[in-house]
Amino acid sequence: LAKTTQPISMDSYEGQEVNITCSHNNIATNDYITWYQQFPSQGPRFIIQGYKTKVTNEVASLFIPADRKSSTLSLPRVSLSDTAVYYCLVGPVAAGNKLTFGGGTRVLVKP
Amino acid sequence: DAGITQSPRYKITETGRQVTLMCHQTWSHSYMFWYRQDLGHGLRLIYYSAAADITDKGEVPDGYVVSRSKTENFPLTLESATRSQTSVYFCASRVDRGVVGTEAFFGQGTRLTVV
Repeated sequence: LAKTTQPISMDSYEGQEVNITCSHNNIATNDYITWYQQFPSQGPRFIIQGYKTKVTNEVASLFIPADRKSSTLSLPRVSLSDTAVYYCLVGPVAAGNKLTFGGGTRVLVKP
Repeated sequence: DAGITQSPRYKITETGRQVTLMCHQTWSHSYMFWYRQDLGHGLRLIYYSAAADITDKGEVPDGYVVSRSKTENFPLTLESATRSQTSVYFCASRVDRGVVGTEAFFGQGTRLTVV
């Protein structure tokens, strides 16, 4: 499985855009990039998944450059409720993906 | 209710006792997982299961036993609890293999304290 590297923590303010970059230099051809969000005392929740270029949903956008060695999760206009830990996972969506989590990025949104 | 549920939510047990954490999902997802999350850290995979009667070890399987006789249930047993197993345990399930856009769904967690 591809190893991922993310910043340990980030601070932001309400209304700002938050961008979290994940490095995955040894990503494989059949690997997808998936982001999960975890609030305190809760299990992680799926945010977004992508393979290349850009993916957008109602919660976030995921930007993946052509070489796929990194990806950026973008959270537009964050609010206090976006304070959470965000995990970047890289692996195949097919059978055998063990969903291995790294340390995640702790995002603190301040008023 | 549809979803994935864990029980109990909180458990205190003594060192050396056997304890079983329950996980039940109503979607008939093939894949199920058990993770532990120590205070201030990320999730570590203990065991996972690809289908009923198929289980495999994750990163930290020592001291744990799993079974999966039915698709919807995936209990985790600590054979002889130790203080180092004090943690929050999360169960997750995931849709079948090969589905693009697949995602895992997590339970609310079981906070286990071993004294």
